[in-house]
Amino acid sequence: GENVEQHPSTLSVQEGDSAVIKCTYSDSASNYFPWYKQELGKRPQLIIDIRSNVGEKKDQRIAVTLNKTAKHFSLHITETQPEDSAVYFCAASISRDDKIIFGKGTRLHILP
Amino acid sequence: NAGVMQNPRHLVRRRGQEARLRCSPMKGHSHVYWYRQLPEEGLKFMVYLQKENIIDESGMPKERFSAEFPKEGPSILRIQQVVRGDSAAYFCASSRGPGSGNTIYFGEGSWLTVV
Repeated sequence: GENVEQHPSTLSVQEGDSAVIKCTYSDSASNYFPWYKQELGKRPQLIIDIRSNVGEKKDQRIAVTLNKTAKHFSLHITETQPEDSAVYFCAASISRDDKIIFGKGTRLHILP
Repeated sequence: NAGVMQNPRHLVRRRGQEARLRCSPMKGHSHVYWYRQLPEEGLKFMVYLQKENIIDESGMPKERFSAEFPKEGPSILRIQQVVRGDSAAYFCASSRGPGSGNTIYFGEGSWLTVV
């Protein structure tokens, strides 16, 4: 079955700098890659997603890139702000079974 | 348009009791997922259901755990004879199903504490 690896597990960046979180997946049939943000005690919320027919997608300060050949995808957050502090999860899904498998998460700390 | 509704939000059970967690999907969504999140850990897939059908239960423990999504009413995750290790947040998510782009939306979660 699908396996998703996420790195780093913890990331601290200075406010205003960029943060990058990387994920790899195992099943080459995966075709949908969402990213979720989870604040303490709250539910995971979808922040951006990308499908396998696209190499990059941007939404304001957030961007995601996908390299299908290498089977890895990344989340980029630019001009980080205190409210970006949270746990971020990458995930991958195969259309034939619709099951979404999550990475173990990255705890992002934005330093003042 | 109400989102995914879970209840109870918090549940305390003594060891050996049963826990029942309920989830109503978003309007227009026919598929439900259950995930378990231990403190400081990630989201572990448990089960994926549509009405009256379990699609994938590969993440469910072999014993004590069961899930259903009846024709009428919410999806229910049932944990029998709870143990301390079952203490976790249980998140339900829903989607429109295959061909919908897979996007899933989470409920607020049910926090189970076993004492």
